[in-house]
This record gives sequence, C-alpha cells and structure tokens, in this order.
Amino acid sequence: KNQVEQSPQSLIILEGKNCTLQCNYTVSPFSNLRWYKQDTGRGPVSLTIMTFSENTKSNGRYTATLDADTKQSSLHITASQLSDSASYICVCDREGGGADGLTFGKGTHLIIQP
Amino acid sequence: DAGVTQSPTHLIKTRGQQVTLRCSPKSGHDTVSWYQQALGQGPQFIFQYYEEEERQRGNFPDRFSGHQFPNYSSELNVNALLLGDSALYLCASSRRTSGITLTGELFFGEGSRLTVL
Repeated sequence: KNQVEQSPQSLIILEGKNCTLQCNYTVSPFSNLRWYKQDTGRGPVSLTIMTFSENTKSNGRYTATLDADTKQSSLHITASQLSDSASYICVCDREGGGADGLTFGKGTHLIIQP
Repeated sequence: DAGVTQSPTHLIKTRGQQVTLRCSPKSGHDTVSWYQQALGQGPQFIFQYYEEEERQRGNFPDRFSGHQFPNYSSELNVNALLLGDSALYLCASSRRTSGITLTGELFFGEGSRLTVL
C-alpha cells in the first residue's frame, strides 16, 4: 500500500532556531516528492518538488533532501520566523499515476514561538 | 497573474442538502483536480477534469460529481450531504504535459470550508 508517514506530528521551536521535518514513503514506483506549506484554513503552497534523481533542493530558508534508496526525505528550515508556523505536508507521486497517484502525508504541525 | 480561485470560502448546509463549489484555475492551466481535507488530515483525491471530462476518480461515492467548462473552470457538486462531508474542499490546477502523468507544479486554491449541520 502506498503510504507517506511524517514525523514529528507536531513541533514547537523558538524563533530563530533551525528545525528538520521528516518524511518516509512507500510509494512505488516513485517519481516525484513534493513539500507543501499549509497555513491554518488555507490552501497548500508549494515549497519544493524533486524528481527521484535529485538529492537536494532549496527555496530560500527551506531545504529539502531526498534519499530514494532509503525512501526518506527531510525538510530543513533555517533561522525560523513566526510566519513559518504552519503545517508542512509531504506528497509523493506514483510514476504514471496522475493526480490519483499523489499520496499525501498528514503533515507536521510546526509552531514558532517568539 | 491570478492563482487558483475558489468560491465560496465558507458555507454552512444541513444534512440532505446539495452544494456546488466553484474553481477557476491558474492562468495557462487546463487541468483541475478536487480534494477533500478533513481536519488534521492530508488531502484526499476526489477527481480530476481535463478537456471537460472526468479523467481520474478517487474513492468517493456518486454523490460527488463535477463539471469542467470550456474556459477550464470547474464545479464540484455534492448531493444528499452527510455530517461527514464537513471538510475543506481544495481545488488544484496544473498544466497537462503528456498522458495523465502529473509533472511540474500543482497549484492549490485557498479552499472552500463546508460545514454540514
């Protein structure tokens, strides 16, 4: 069964600190991995998208890594800001699956405290 | 450049009623997908429209139906509403490249929050 597991479920850190969110997947055959940021009650916003051959991709203070061998990805946030408080969702594409081939994780709820 | 727009943003219905949600895709996009997101959960795929036809469908009952118009905008209809239909309904647009493979960015709207009483 295609699954995406994210950890931790929730995380609280102080403003200015760094943090790393984890994503493990069992999607097969795998093609892409996406990270989204979702503010409460809003739609998800794309942070990064990586193909199976990419190891790392950055978007400002966000850096995603991918290890297709171990089927793990991480999202590292540097120098956190209050506006980073949100849920971060990991999404995996099944090759040839189209929209039905996207498997969403439940997200990590991140809270940045001043 | 307007992104994906959805309406209404919030609505309240009672059990048994019907609801229609609307979505306009991002400029240049021709494919629209609909998702249901319950509180604390990841989005669940409902269906996808391309060239005015339903191309893929997730595990949702026939009470959920849709339509795509020639201008690529789309509607999601839900009949005989149940309490469990309360959720955030997300529309996402993309540009089809080849076949059904989803490549490139998938842009989401802000969602329509449906509450069924």
